[in-house]
Amino acid sequence: DIQMTQTPSSMPASLGERVTISCRASQGISNYLNWYQQKPDGTIKPLIYYTSNLQSGVPSRFSGSGSGTDYSLTISSLEPEDFAMYYCQQYDSSPLTFGSGTKLEIK
Amino acid sequence: EVQLVESGGGLVQPGRSLKLSCAASGFTFSNYYMAWVRQAPTKGLEWVASITNSGGSTYYRDSVKGRFTISRDNAKSTLYLQMDSLRSEDTATYYCTREEGFPYYVMDAWGQGASVTVSS
Repeated sequence: DIQMTQTPSSMPASLGERVTISCRASQGISNYLNWYQQKPDGTIKPLIYYTSNLQSGVPSRFSGSGSGTDYSLTISSLEPEDFAMYYCQQYDSSPLTFGSGTKLEIK
Repeated sequence: EVQLVESGGGLVQPGRSLKLSCAASGFTFSNYYMAWVRQAPTKGLEWVASITNSGGSTYYRDSVKGRFTISRDNAKSTLYLQMDSLRSEDTATYYCTREEGFPYYVMDAWGQGASVTVSS
């Protein structure tokens, strides 16, 4: 199975701050990488697909980049609703695997 | 509006069975692959099983193969997960998800989750 390592596991940040979350795969995944957001009430939604494509309805302050084994999610200016858990997911090979998550907390 | 609503969760003893359902609405259910993803308490997300739009093919993670069965009824727009021989490590919230494969793969809709607790 491909292991997905997310860093950091938690990140205190302030409103308006720019933050970046990293995700490293145990082998190359050819940009087959998605990002999801999970709110405290458990609600999950997709943010980014195929490394850098914004899911419909997702604000443009979210962006994704990367290649090979290293990928990142950037939020350009934090809004109150962005404080949540974030997960990367690879779909290069079965089984689909997720990162362990990054909790974005208010500083 | 796309909606996925899980039901059937609860407390069950180890070795017993439980069946989850996911009622879909707001889209043509028979056009989409579907999947179950679970999340153990305080843990991350874990893919469990997927099924093609026709139900003709199914896929499972190794730890549930032979114990769990994913199925669907396209006439009822409902996805199922039959869970047999349950173990304590199956304790989790189970999410029903819609899988979009074009132009790229993404789980583009999620239910609110059904809680399953396996304990004596």
